[in-house]
Amino acid sequence: GAVVSQHPSWVICKSGTSVKIECRSLDFQATTMFWYRQFPKQSLMLMATSNEGSKATYEQGVEKDKFLINHASLTLSTLTVTSAHPEDSSFYICSARGTGVGNSPLHFGNGTRLTVT
Amino acid sequence: AQKITQTQPGMFVQEKEAVTLDCTYDTSDPSYGLFWYKQPSSGEMIFLIYQGSYDQQNATEGRYSLNFQKARKSANLVISASQLGDSAMYFCAMRGPSGNTPLVFGKGTRLSVIA
Repeated sequence: GAVVSQHPSWVICKSGTSVKIECRSLDFQATTMFWYRQFPKQSLMLMATSNEGSKATYEQGVEKDKFLINHASLTLSTLTVTSAHPEDSSFYICSARGTGVGNSPLHFGNGTRLTVT
Repeated sequence: AQKITQTQPGMFVQEKEAVTLDCTYDTSDPSYGLFWYKQPSSGEMIFLIYQGSYDQQNATEGRYSLNFQKARKSANLVISASQLGDSAMYFCAMRGPSGNTPLVFGKGTRLSVIA
């Protein structure tokens, strides 16, 4: 089945630094990937839609200059949290839909737990 | 706009018993898809079951079945013969009419299976 790999699985960084999270579709091509954020004991909130070869589409309230998304190939999308602050600490998880869209589910990476100190 | 409502923050079930997790949805699109995912404490999102708005029969996948009542806009998940490993967060989600659109998630239900 479709596999999405996300790296790193966890990261601790100091306030003010930037962190890059990679999301790869291993056995299928994903023209579109989705980035979600999940705070403790809350649901998944869509941050942005990553489109291969074009600019990402951000949800309302998500700062595009802070959360940089690059989807340079059909199998890789990256999310860079720039100048991270403690309030950016969260669980970030990417997803992509396999072939045969329609009823095919979103396949998720295992997520990245970001802690900003 | 699409909306998913899960009204049960937490549920308990005895091992080997069946449990129903509630999900209601709201959409103005005639075509949509409904999904259930399981999220264990490790954080991964595990796809469980799918129901399309035009599907005539309720979806089933092993011990999981979806009680789809279109008129009531509900898509409850039924887990039969609960196992200790079923303890996790369960999210109901909806996709719009376009195949390549993101999922909108409910707030989730934490299921605890008791031995």
